[in-house]
Amino acid sequence: ETGVTQTPRHLVMGMTNKKSLKCEQHLGHNAMYWYKQSAKKPLELMFVYNFKEQTENNSVPSRFSPECPNSSHLFLHLHTLQPEDSALYLCASSQDLSGSETQYFGPGTRLLVL
Amino acid sequence: AQSVSQHNHHVILSEAASLELGCNYSYGGTVNLFWYVQYPGQHLQLLLKYFSGDPLVKGIKGFEAEFIKSKFSFNLRKPSVQWSDTAEYFCAVIYNRDDKIIFGKGTRLHILP
Repeated sequence: ETGVTQTPRHLVMGMTNKKSLKCEQHLGHNAMYWYKQSAKKPLELMFVYNFKEQTENNSVPSRFSPECPNSSHLFLHLHTLQPEDSALYLCASSQDLSGSETQYFGPGTRLLVL
Repeated sequence: AQSVSQHNHHVILSEAASLELGCNYSYGGTVNLFWYVQYPGQHLQLLLKYFSGDPLVKGIKGFEAEFIKSKFSFNLRKPSVQWSDTAEYFCAVIYNRDDKIIFGKGTRLHILP
C-alpha cells in the first residue's frame, strides 16, 4: 500500500456526462499531481498543487478542472470529454516541490470516454 | 526541449540472462534520476533513484543503475533476471531548475521461463 488511493479505479462515461476522479494521500505530503498516461505515449503532467495552491497547469483543456480542498485530497472534475481523453489518470504526491523528493503514485483511474 | 529517451520499447529475455535497459536525457542542468517499475495489474513502484554521490545506485530486487554524466545516461541493470521481473520499466528525470518530472515512454520487459 503506497498511501495514495484513487477512486474509482475504472470509469466509463459518455461525452455529455460530468464525473469526478478522487485522489487521497495518507503520507502527510504537501504536493499533489495529476498525470495522464495514454497508450504508447509518455506520462504527461497535467496539474501540480503545493499547499492547496495550483502551481502548474500544463496546457490542459478546460474540460479538465482540478480541485484541491486540502493537502490530502485532490479531485479532477471531468465534463464534455472527448474519446481521445480515454487514458489512465494517475495521481501522485510528494513531500514538497524541492525536486529531490520522490513522488508516490496511486493505482490510477482507467477512463473510457464513449 | 527537455526529454527522456528509452531505447527499447520491448525486450524479451530468458531467465538468468543479464539485463540492461537504456535511458538518456537531454541536457538541462542538474537532475535527479529515477527508475520506476509497473508489474502487470499493479501501480507504479520506485526501483531506485539518484540524487547525488556515488553514480552507481543499488535499488530493490537486485537492480542497479549507473549515472554517467558525460553521456547523459542512467541505464538500469540486473545481472540475472527472473520470470517475476516481467513488467514495464520507466525512466524519469527531474530537472532541478523547474521541478518538472519527465518520464520516458517505458520499456516492456518479458521474461521467458
